[in-house]
Amino acid sequence: SQTIHQWPATLVQPVGSPLSLECTVEGTSNPNLYWYRQAAGRGLQLLFYSVGIGQISSEVPQNLSASRPQDRQFILSSKKLLLSDSGFYLCAWSVNEQYFGPGTRLTVT
Amino acid sequence: QQPVQSPQAVILREGEDAVINCSSSKALYSVHWYRQKHGEAPVFLMILLKGGEQKGHEKISASFNEKKQQSSLYLTASQLSYSGTYFCGTDRKTSYDKVIFGPGTSLSVIP
Repeated sequence: SQTIHQWPATLVQPVGSPLSLECTVEGTSNPNLYWYRQAAGRGLQLLFYSVGIGQISSEVPQNLSASRPQDRQFILSSKKLLLSDSGFYLCAWSVNEQYFGPGTRLTVT
Repeated sequence: QQPVQSPQAVILREGEDAVINCSSSKALYSVHWYRQKHGEAPVFLMILLKGGEQKGHEKISASFNEKKQQSSLYLTASQLSYSGTYFCGTDRKTSYDKVIFGPGTSLSVIP
């Protein structure tokens, strides 16, 4: 069966520091992969999606970037975090329906 | 184009029924339903792929009216465990699977 992992589970970072969140999927090949952000009490905002290795599309221009160095690995990065980057970051994979990872709760102080 | 969900919030007593609606201004290929409990990731409930399709498991079911570009989620004889925020996601089947989620409906079931 397929499983999706995200780490770390929680993160507290100062403004201006870099960020790297990792997501890996097991049990499937060539999945579509997604990064979402959810602000406290809000909906799911699609940040990036990828249909294959090295193929990244950005939905919302901001100071975040994403990379897919391997088929089942998706990385979200930032060179300098802003206060507004705080939130719950969710990775997801899909064939038809989408399945979410456990999420990373990021607090920028 | 983000789908619209209604109501924004609903409070039920155990055993009562609820309907959550999801509509889009664009033609849809599929509708996805998820439930998210506080502090957790959304959990997939069901996907409806064809107009007129209905699906369900246990006491949660959904319908998809392709012509009206809307879907409804039905919760019958609600249980405390049904509490959470329900999101619908719509997919227009462009060049890849991209699901756009609605703002969510907060559902609270009280004893």
